[in-house]
Amino acid sequence: DTEVTQTPKHLVMGMTNKKSLKCEQHMGHRAMYWYKQKAKKPPELMFVYSYEKLSINESVPSRFSPECPNSSLLNLHLHALQPEDSALYLCASSDTARRNYGYTFGSGTRLTVV
Amino acid sequence: GNSVTQMEGPVTLSEEAFLTINCTYTATGYPSLFWYVQYPGEGLQLLLKATKADDKGSNKGFEATYRKETTSFHLEKGSVQVSDSAVYFCALSVQGAQKLVFGQGTRLTINP
Repeated sequence: DTEVTQTPKHLVMGMTNKKSLKCEQHMGHRAMYWYKQKAKKPPELMFVYSYEKLSINESVPSRFSPECPNSSLLNLHLHALQPEDSALYLCASSDTARRNYGYTFGSGTRLTVV
Repeated sequence: GNSVTQMEGPVTLSEEAFLTINCTYTATGYPSLFWYVQYPGEGLQLLLKATKADDKGSNKGFEATYRKETTSFHLEKGSVQVSDSAVYFCALSVQGAQKLVFGQGTRLTINP
């Protein structure tokens, strides 16, 4: 299995809702990432997990809460989002010892906040 | 710091034309370099990579050579197809860092 699987593919949520994005990989990668991508822009790093521990938080607002329950799963919990949070959310993974071999990205969750 | 600069888009070509998308970088240490492609409505796919100077990455007819002397990693393809229409991102990672640094992306449109 050489894929990163993200669910759901599309999500519409109100500003008072709580929802979660899920990401799964079975490549044995021990580094996992959340990126946010706005239209016509490159992805922006949000969080990095290394060996199931949060190692980087790029000053992301607390309405985004990441979780790494095990080495294959990564979640992003969403609460009280704003319309400007609407974007494509991408999960990625990499081999911690071989990051120079590249990251594998999922196909993303397109989030719309109404 | 580490940064990537790509040529401004959008780029529009006719089918079977020659493609070059320029990418230059600034990095501390010795980066690995990547080209990612993003088709409409999809995530990013790794197109090719090079991990040291003078390496040539290639895939699906695309090529890029890691030029340390000019700090460049230009993407080329000899004959583009309509199916190559996408956004292309040049990126780098530095050993020990935990993030990819992306260029701004170049939108490529191929007309039949």
